[in-house]
Amino acid sequence: AQSVTQPDIHITVSEGASLELRCNYSYGATPYLFWYVQSPGQGLQLLLKYFSGDTLVQGIKGFEAEFKRSQSSFNLRKPSVHWSDAAEYFCAVGNQAGTALIFGKGTTLSVSS
Amino acid sequence: EADIYQTPRYLVIGTGKKITLECSQTMGHDKMYWYQQDPGMELHLIHYSYGVNSTEKGDLSSESTVSRIRTEHFPLTLESARPSHTSQYLCASSAAGTTNTGELFFGEGSRLTVL
Repeated sequence: AQSVTQPDIHITVSEGASLELRCNYSYGATPYLFWYVQSPGQGLQLLLKYFSGDTLVQGIKGFEAEFKRSQSSFNLRKPSVHWSDAAEYFCAVGNQAGTALIFGKGTTLSVSS
Repeated sequence: EADIYQTPRYLVIGTGKKITLECSQTMGHDKMYWYQQDPGMELHLIHYSYGVNSTEKGDLSSESTVSRIRTEHFPLTLESARPSHTSQYLCASSAAGTTNTGELFFGEGSRLTVL
């Protein structure tokens, strides 16, 4: 079955510390992978995406993610977290045909001062 | 900046009422989607459309219905709202064909509360 797993429901990180959010996927075809961020009361904003080429992709707001096919993972990283990064983060998988994305349950990030 | 709009943003309504959640996009995207989002849960696809006069049910069973009479418009209707319909509804769109990279563009959501 096609699925996305985000093992961490809630993570708290100190401001200025590094961050890694985990994402594992199960998908039959060549995956297109995405990370979205959602602030309270808002829709989802795309942070970054991978569908081919360099397995380390850069996104907005200083985020990056690395695609590891052997581990079926697409972890999101940021070297130094800012208080404004507190939000919910969703990993998603899709395909070249552009069918609807499959989402994980999300990870809530809290940032402490 | 994505140009996809949802109205109303917030709606509180009594049981048995008919409601329509509006979704419009100005990007000319052929594909549009409705997801249902509950706290701590993944987004569940409830409806999608790949073009005018095309609608399909998604993975999550829903008592809602949709229509796609115009490319830019994809409204969702509940004929008789119940408390179990309380949720956030997210509309999204994506490009088709060679320009497609699989990315979905989302509206800001409609939060529905049924009393």
